[in-house]
Amino acid sequence: KAGVTQTPRYLIKTRGQQVTLSCSPISGHRSVSWYQQTPGQGLQFLFEYFSETQRNKGNFPGRFSGRQFSNSRSEMNVSTLELGDSALYLCASSQLVGTDTQYFGPGTRLTVL
Amino acid sequence: GESVGLHLPTLSVQEGDNSIINCAYSNSASDYFIWYKQESGKGPQFIIDIRSNMDKRQGQRVTVLLNKTVKHLSLQIAATQPGDSAVYFCAETYHNTDKLIFGTGTRLQVFP
Repeated sequence: KAGVTQTPRYLIKTRGQQVTLSCSPISGHRSVSWYQQTPGQGLQFLFEYFSETQRNKGNFPGRFSGRQFSNSRSEMNVSTLELGDSALYLCASSQLVGTDTQYFGPGTRLTVL
Repeated sequence: GESVGLHLPTLSVQEGDNSIINCAYSNSASDYFIWYKQESGKGPQFIIDIRSNMDKRQGQRVTVLLNKTVKHLSLQIAATQPGDSAVYFCAETYHNTDKLIFGTGTRLQVFP
């Protein structure tokens, strides 16, 4: 069974631009969560989606948004990019919420110049 | 979330020795705990998990111990190998959510 896939793997943007990251969960998984990883703040929770509904949102500004599609694929968007948004963005999927192991993708490395 | 700074706590062990990585979790309501391993340039990889109704769980070469009284979690790796070199994170979550709260990572270095 294929793992969680994330595209693109690397991305370079400039301040003020916006970016969309994509995540395809493991086949059969309906829950998708997003995390931001930086050296200074570690791994921080962004969003949690299940059946196209956002169930939880982390403590991030409104510039960070996401959505989930009927096939469980998910996207996250960051508008008006800031230098501090440079990070590894990780997506994780699980079959059901709260009961199953979450498996992570390789991440998208975003660099904001 | 917890901070993982540039200067991660580091555990250096000799190949073949046992490793113990510790973690203090924050929420007494958490009922599910996971250890992840992250190698450079990769996403976190699941190692082992434990639910709050257990205090010990064993996998292949790994054991997780949970002490709810002091909110402490540990990962024991037997016969540590060079391939075990990575950053290890504990994570906690609670019923009916997939929101993981990650602890401070520990860098494990295995030398020959």
